[in-house]
Amino acid sequence: GESVGLHLPTLSVQEGDNSIINCAYSNSASDYFIWYKQESGKGPQFIIDIRSNMDKRQGQRVTVLLNKTVKHLSLQIAATQPGDSAVYFCAEREIQGAQKLVFGQGTRLTINP
Amino acid sequence: KAGVTQTPRYLIKTRGQQVTLSCSPISGHRSVSWYQQTPGQGLQFLFEYFSETQRNKGNFPGRFSGRQFSNSRSEMNVSTLELGDSALYLCASKLAGAYNEQFFGPGTRLTVL
Repeated sequence: GESVGLHLPTLSVQEGDNSIINCAYSNSASDYFIWYKQESGKGPQFIIDIRSNMDKRQGQRVTVLLNKTVKHLSLQIAATQPGDSAVYFCAEREIQGAQKLVFGQGTRLTINP
Repeated sequence: KAGVTQTPRYLIKTRGQQVTLSCSPISGHRSVSWYQQTPGQGLQFLFEYFSETQRNKGNFPGRFSGRQFSNSRSEMNVSTLELGDSALYLCASKLAGAYNEQFFGPGTRLTVL
């Protein structure tokens, strides 16, 4: 599934390096945030989530940081691998309990060998 | 466990026609939502269904409609197709509960000529 915009932000990193993808969200009332990864020909795949009452959450090789003061979300990927190459989207939930998500524009991450 | 399935995967229509897309959620998931993905607008929420009831609707014209059946399968319909309706249409399902993961299907690629 093509997910790129004409002017999609891009990030290139060397294999093995760490990468940080940033996202600014829009609604200070949003209570839940998710990072998704989308590879070509596929739908978005859940990576990690964080609730608004937290500022950091860690998963396997991934960490999400939430700064509610400036409405900023980041995704850190440690020791990047070729399989990490994809488009990454942040999403916020503006209505508690609803399934409606508001997605960011996406960032294309390319891992160079 | 089978993932979210969407049919058809690819579809070509002409302006003025109508189209129906189908989504089968993961077994046990009663919440289904639909998104439109385009290069220009990114991922945009269309609607959300739970137990056959529409719970939320995005900012799309009335030509876009949907429904959910008692087995949780969902369809969306677009009438009087326009060129701008060309997009990847994604369906997602989740278990009931505020913080359960939303799983996306591979999408239906609709091209309007």
